[in-house]
Amino acid sequence: AQTVTQSQPEMSVQEAETVTLSCTYDTSESDYYLFWYKQPPSRQMILVIRQEAYKQQNATENRFSVNFQKAAKSFSLKISDSQLGDAAMYFCAYKTSGTYKYIFGTGTRLKVLA
Amino acid sequence: NAGVTQTPKFRILKIGQSMTLQCTQDMNHNYMYWYRQDPGMGLKLIYYSVGAGITDKGEVPNGYNVSRSTTEDFPLRLELAAPSQTSVYFCASREGSWLTGELFFGEGSRLTVL
Repeated sequence: AQTVTQSQPEMSVQEAETVTLSCTYDTSESDYYLFWYKQPPSRQMILVIRQEAYKQQNATENRFSVNFQKAAKSFSLKISDSQLGDAAMYFCAYKTSGTYKYIFGTGTRLKVLA
Repeated sequence: NAGVTQTPKFRILKIGQSMTLQCTQDMNHNYMYWYRQDPGMGLKLIYYSVGAGITDKGEVPNGYNVSRSTTEDFPLRLELAAPSQTSVYFCASREGSWLTGELFFGEGSRLTVL
């Protein structure tokens, strides 16, 4: 069975600094997708960034980028130039291609310090 | 375009009462999901649906029921509420193709059973 592990329950970063959130996963599949979702205090979860396993290039979305290490089964999220609005719970998620099921990690709470 | 709408946002139930959490999406998505989020536990799948008239159990279906009579609506019914069902419930949807399938979430419903 697939699993997703986020080993950092809470992280803090100074405004304008860079922070990296860790995520590891376990799967025997070769074709899958990985996601980072952000859940602000208002609670609605939104997609931050997505990575297809068959793509070697790391995904980037403005200040957000990932470090995807397929062999190590690692999928970390880097937030550059952190802003107060980045404060939220971040969830890493996995989905095998062609299936319905998403596996979520337990989340990392990010605090941004002014 | 409202996305995924959940009602109510908050509810307090007494043990043994029943209620329905409503979920509606206006994106014509085939796939819909119900998750519960407990502190430190990530999201657990309760039920999902791949289209009108088709539903199936997720990881934690006991104590819940769903129906999917239309593409737009996917209500979650709690029968005989128990304290263990105190949680935040999220409805989500995605399009039904074999694309990467970003999940769109509602704002959540916080349920307390006393």
